[in-house]
Amino acid sequence: SAVISQKPSRDICQRGTSLTIQCQVDSQVTMMFWYRQQPGQSLTLIATANQGSEATYESGFVIDKFPISRPNLTFSTLTVSNMSPEDSSIYLCSVVSGREGISSYNEQFFGPGTRLTVL
Amino acid sequence: GQNIDQPTEMTATEGAIVQINCTYQTSGFNGLFWYQQHAGEAPTFLSYNVLDGLEEKGRFSSFLSRSKGYSYLLLKELQMKDSASYLCAVMDSNYQLIWGAGTKLIIKP
Repeated sequence: SAVISQKPSRDICQRGTSLTIQCQVDSQVTMMFWYRQQPGQSLTLIATANQGSEATYESGFVIDKFPISRPNLTFSTLTVSNMSPEDSSIYLCSVVSGREGISSYNEQFFGPGTRLTVL
Repeated sequence: GQNIDQPTEMTATEGAIVQINCTYQTSGFNGLFWYQQHAGEAPTFLSYNVLDGLEEKGRFSSFLSRSKGYSYLLLKELQMKDSASYLCAVMDSNYQLIWGAGTKLIIKP
């Protein structure tokens, strides 16, 4: 299993500013994911961050707005740039870790999330 | 396109049984996951199915029919703490997870 921590846990920010969210994992993982979850909705994948390469962004998300760093196999950051109230959401870091056994598969673990409110 | 459908909300009584259905249409299939998410918290893993049939884990069971593109999560002996959203997710041929919108389960005494 993987244990994930995120900083900050919550923040209230002014329109036009930027916030960087940190994600730390207790083990080395190849793939890290950044999700957004708006109130009452399911998870929306923002991007996949692999160490040593550029992040891969999903449709509707661009690097200028959500720059991502992945300096090593245990850490990543997501920046929400030039924020607007529409960016108010929970941002979740997630990793995939292999689970061996009778039925081996990759389980996805989530960090506790960062609750962002933009005024 | 890729699509995951599950009911928006369900209500059940403490001590009873509830079945949450999930149907999917995805490009490829590498397994189906169920996650539980309490309000204000991150999702936590419940189950994984990649072969047809029923997987039982305590009070929770998950069923898969790949030919029908169908799964359900069965919760027995419901407790108040089971009030949460239950998310169905399918791993596609690119090993990306496609998420359903979640089913909010309300447990009444």
